[in-house]
Amino acid sequence: KAGVTQTPRYLIKTRGQQVTLSCSPISGHRSVSWYQQTPGQGLQFLFEYFSETQRNKGNFPGRFSGRQFSNSRSEMNVSTLELGDSALYLCASSLTGLITEAFFGQGTRLTVV
Amino acid sequence: DAKTTQPPSMDCAEGRAANLPCNHSTISGNEYVYWYRQIHSQGPQYIIHGLKNNETNEMASLIITEDRKSSTLILPHATLRDTAVYYCIVSPVNAGNNRKLIWGLGTSLAVNP
Repeated sequence: KAGVTQTPRYLIKTRGQQVTLSCSPISGHRSVSWYQQTPGQGLQFLFEYFSETQRNKGNFPGRFSGRQFSNSRSEMNVSTLELGDSALYLCASSLTGLITEAFFGQGTRLTVV
Repeated sequence: DAKTTQPPSMDCAEGRAANLPCNHSTISGNEYVYWYRQIHSQGPQYIIHGLKNNETNEMASLIITEDRKSSTLILPHATLRDTAVYYCIVSPVNAGNNRKLIWGLGTSLAVNP
């Protein structure tokens, strides 16, 4: 079966702009989680969506938001980009939720200049 | 949510068992122990999880102490392809609302020929 697909793979944006990242989960998975990974902070949990509802949320400012559609595809939006938002953004999907046997995508590498 | 403590790095000889420790002294009764690994430039990969009994699958074994305050992931016959960063995370399976998930920096395992 197809894995978790994240688009785009690479992105360069200017400080102050906004960006939208997309994640298509494994068919049948209703849980989609988003993570930010940087060399200094490691993997940090952003939020989880389950059946179109945000169910869990990490410690990120309101500039980071997301949504999930009825087909379970999810988008993450970051507004007013800062240089510190440069990171690898990972999406994971799970049948039961959160990190129980979750499958990760390859990630979107965002660079803010 | 419980935090975990892992050694930053470990070495293992190819063909030998790799034993990766994790301390989670503040784990709650409903929290599971999960292990993931991340090979360079890829998204994390699920390995195994458990509540209080020892678990084994085709990838690894998970040994959880009786008081559940620590656990050990065992790769019985490490290969060069097992070189990766290994993450130990604790979380309830059925996460409620506003549950923050903490991954930490993991253990960088180097399997040497």
